Amino acid sequence: GAGVSQSPRYKVAKRGQDVALRCDPISGHVSLFWYQQALGQGPEFLTYFQNEAQLDKSGLPSDRFFAERPEGSVSTLKIQRTQQEDSAVYLCASSNSVPDSPDTQYFGPGTRLTVL
Amino acid sequence: KNEVEQSPQNLTAQEGEFITINCSYSVGISALHWLQQHPGGGIVSLFMLSSGKKKHGRLIATINIQEKHSSLHITASHPRDSAVYICAVADYNTDKLIFGTGTRLQVFP
Repeated sequence: GAGVSQSPRYKVAKRGQDVALRCDPISGHVSLFWYQQALGQGPEFLTYFQNEAQLDKSGLPSDRFFAERPEGSVSTLKIQRTQQEDSAVYLCASSNSVPDSPDTQYFGPGTRLTVL
Repeated sequence: KNEVEQSPQNLTAQEGEFITINCSYSVGISALHWLQQHPGGGIVSLFMLSSGKKKHGRLIATINIQEKHSSLHITASHPRDSAVYICAVADYNTDKLIFGTGTRLQVFP
């Protein structure tokens, strides 16, 4: 079956541009996570959705970062006025986990963002 | 101090060797995940553990909740096992993952 897909796979932006990164989770998965992985580093949590509700956005590094999942399926991570330090791979993961019932997280291939 | 510590950071082995990667954590968790990432590749989930031990093929994962420690073992290692292995713990409330720094494994023929 189809896994988690992300688009675009690669994005080059000039500093100051806005970008939008898309995640298509596995159909029916309740939970959706965004992570940021800088070059040579481990991933770090950005934000978490349970269905359409954004329950945790504590990892978003600044107010230039915004995420939504309006219908509880596809999610978009938007970065406004991109800066060079935003260059990273942005990973999306989905799962059927709910509170008190953890589950495997399935990762997409990531979007590699390069800000020039 | 990181909430999730892995050791070793780098590991080289000859084909056929038994490999152990260790993970210690300092926060309350709902589960612990072992993940695999190939260079330039995506992340694949190997195991999710809440207690005890799991085995899949040549891979074995164990967890000791009281000691807050987990190990990933690879038996009869093969060059195709070369990858970064990441330990990640799931936050008790939201299930968001807190990642270790990863262990880079290279298995030579």
